[in-house]
Amino acid sequence: AQKITQTQPGMFVQEKEAVTLDCTYDTSDPSYGLFWYKQPSSGEMIFLIYQGSYDQQNATEGRYSLNFQKARKSANLVISASQLGDSAMYFCAMRERRSGTSYGKLTFGQGTILTVHP
Amino acid sequence: SAVISQKPSRDICQRGTSLTIQCQVDSQVTMMFWYRQQPGQSLTLIATANQGSEATYESGFVIDKFPISRPNLTFSTLTVSNMSPEDSSIYLCSFRGTSGRFRETQYFGPGTRLLVL
Repeated sequence: AQKITQTQPGMFVQEKEAVTLDCTYDTSDPSYGLFWYKQPSSGEMIFLIYQGSYDQQNATEGRYSLNFQKARKSANLVISASQLGDSAMYFCAMRERRSGTSYGKLTFGQGTILTVHP
Repeated sequence: SAVISQKPSRDICQRGTSLTIQCQVDSQVTMMFWYRQQPGQSLTLIATANQGSEATYESGFVIDKFPISRPNLTFSTLTVSNMSPEDSSIYLCSFRGTSGRFRETQYFGPGTRLLVL
């Protein structure tokens, strides 16, 4: 089974509007972390936001917020006030504690291409 | 947060040759990780590199094909050996944040775009 599922291959949003990128995950590990990264056409992976499984509050970083619904195993990324520079591929990823010595191993979803229109 | 750099940023290589990719972090980190992103695909972990010990490889990746060095806490190299066109990918190094609010985060280098002809 897929550990990280991003069901939206592509999303479009008007500049200055908000957009939600979906991510669901599957794990039986009680301790895990969820990440969102932005990958522009240059190929670099830009860290956006992190949510720990024990964090009580949803993570926020500037215009990015993570809508964490633990019971539903979803970790959607909300981008407020979209900008043209937000156009990129966005990846959701998970790190499980039980990955042991590879506790830095991220499992990635397939990504969502976001296009911001002027 | 620390700064991470990779060299080369891109390269075009002939099949059968090898390329060594360097990753430099501006602070000491315990574990470094090497990922591969094949065209149009997501990222896959190749191996975990600890200083002073052999790298730990993920299923489907072997040391003969992807030898890794980790001579100190700020530097690592990944070699892609005996390359074929299927090795054309972006290769990225990664590390975990080391302190404070960055301890749980994970950062990536700018990546090395490799094209094998």
